[in-house]
Amino acid sequence: EIVLTQSPGTVSLSPGERATLSCRATQSVSSNYLAWYQQKPGQAPRLLIYAASNRATGIPDRFSGSGSGTDFTLTISRLEPEDSAMYYCQQQMFGQGTKVEIK
Amino acid sequence: EVQLVESGGGLVKPGGSLRLSCVVSGLNFNDAWMSWVRQAPGKGLEWVGRIKSKGSGETTDYAAPVKGRFTISRDDSKNTVYLQMNSLKTEDAAVYYCTHDGNGYYNFYSWGQGTLVTVSS
Repeated sequence: EIVLTQSPGTVSLSPGERATLSCRATQSVSSNYLAWYQQKPGQAPRLLIYAASNRATGIPDRFSGSGSGTDFTLTISRLEPEDSAMYYCQQQMFGQGTKVEIK
Repeated sequence: EVQLVESGGGLVKPGGSLRLSCVVSGLNFNDAWMSWVRQAPGKGLEWVGRIKSKGSGETTDYAAPVKGRFTISRDDSKNTVYLQMNSLKTEDAAVYYCTHDGNGYYNFYSWGQGTLVTVSS
């Protein structure tokens, strides 16, 4: 079973700053399988990125995904207050999540 | 607009059974691959299992913790997917989400609002 490890556990940044979230797999993952989700408290998750680098419908272009093999990255280029949330990567199983806090 | 609406959650005793339903609208359900994902209180997301479309053999696969206890089925005439949960354990307590696998690669394009399952004596 492939295990995904996300880092950091929590990131705290100011509005306008850049956030870089990492997702590392224990073995190589086809990019087709790699997705990123955002979840705010009390809400269902929302798909941000599918197939490693494709933005889902309606997702702002400040969100971008990259990577291949065992290392994948979600970048939020210019943080906005509403980006405060948990972020999960997934290739069937989910990573443990990264919390993004906006100062 | 795609909508997924779960129902059937509630309180059940350890060892008991529960069936969750998810009614889907806004997409061609006959061709949809559907998954269930759960989230224990204060914890992360856990994939539970998936059912493919009838055209793809209606095959199912499950996460190890639920294999042999949970069964996913579908009724295309009702645009509904089910999760039958048997031999429930306290660790199965969670919000259960119904999801639409949009590309066959476990990328979940749409999610329901979730239904809460509590397992307690």
